[in-house]
Amino acid sequence: DAGVTQSPTHLIKTRGQQVTLRCSPKSGHDTVSWYQQALGQGPQFIFQYYEEEERQRGNFPDRFSGHQFPNYSSELNVNALLLGDSALYLCASSLGGRISGANVLTFGAGSRLTVL
Amino acid sequence: AQRVTQPEKLLSVFKGAPVELKCNYSYSGSPELFWYVQYSRQRLQLLLRHISRESIKGFTADLNKGETSFHLKKPFAQEEDSAMYYCALGKSNQGGKLIFGQGTELSVKP
Repeated sequence: DAGVTQSPTHLIKTRGQQVTLRCSPKSGHDTVSWYQQALGQGPQFIFQYYEEEERQRGNFPDRFSGHQFPNYSSELNVNALLLGDSALYLCASSLGGRISGANVLTFGAGSRLTVL
Repeated sequence: AQRVTQPEKLLSVFKGAPVELKCNYSYSGSPELFWYVQYSRQRLQLLLRHISRESIKGFTADLNKGETSFHLKKPFAQEEDSAMYYCALGKSNQGGKLIFGQGTELSVKP
């Protein structure tokens, strides 16, 4: 089992552009959560997808949106990129949506986004 | 607002010395507390959770609701313990939505 896979691993964009990041959850998991990790900071929750719907959302603007597909994979989209969006974007998978056990997260290696 | 504070950005100890990584949280309800660890060139992974009350790799952590703390301890540090450690707070009805601290880098010197 490859665990959680994310793509791309690195990418560079310019201000105003749009970006799409992809995530495949660990085999057997049905819930995907996205986190943003700025340099020197802990991960910050963006949103969670379960049963193809956004179930929870952190304090991020509407420029951040996502999608979950029937095979449980997920995408994170960021529109109108700002310099401050430069960060490591982590995908984490779990089982069962918002239940307590879903706090046990399996993380991917991340996608490092640089906005120039 | 819920918050997790790890007061030390860097903790450096010698091999064999005791280790305590501090974590304080603010939350008025019944929290779920976790320690996640990231070894060099590896992914962030769960180390332990308070409800399990188990020892993983010699590490233990006790939830102290009175002091709102969840400090991570190990009696004798090993070089392979060198890593970035994150304390995280979750809620039972918001599974998957964790609030992380800023992390503490543990460096164990030979």
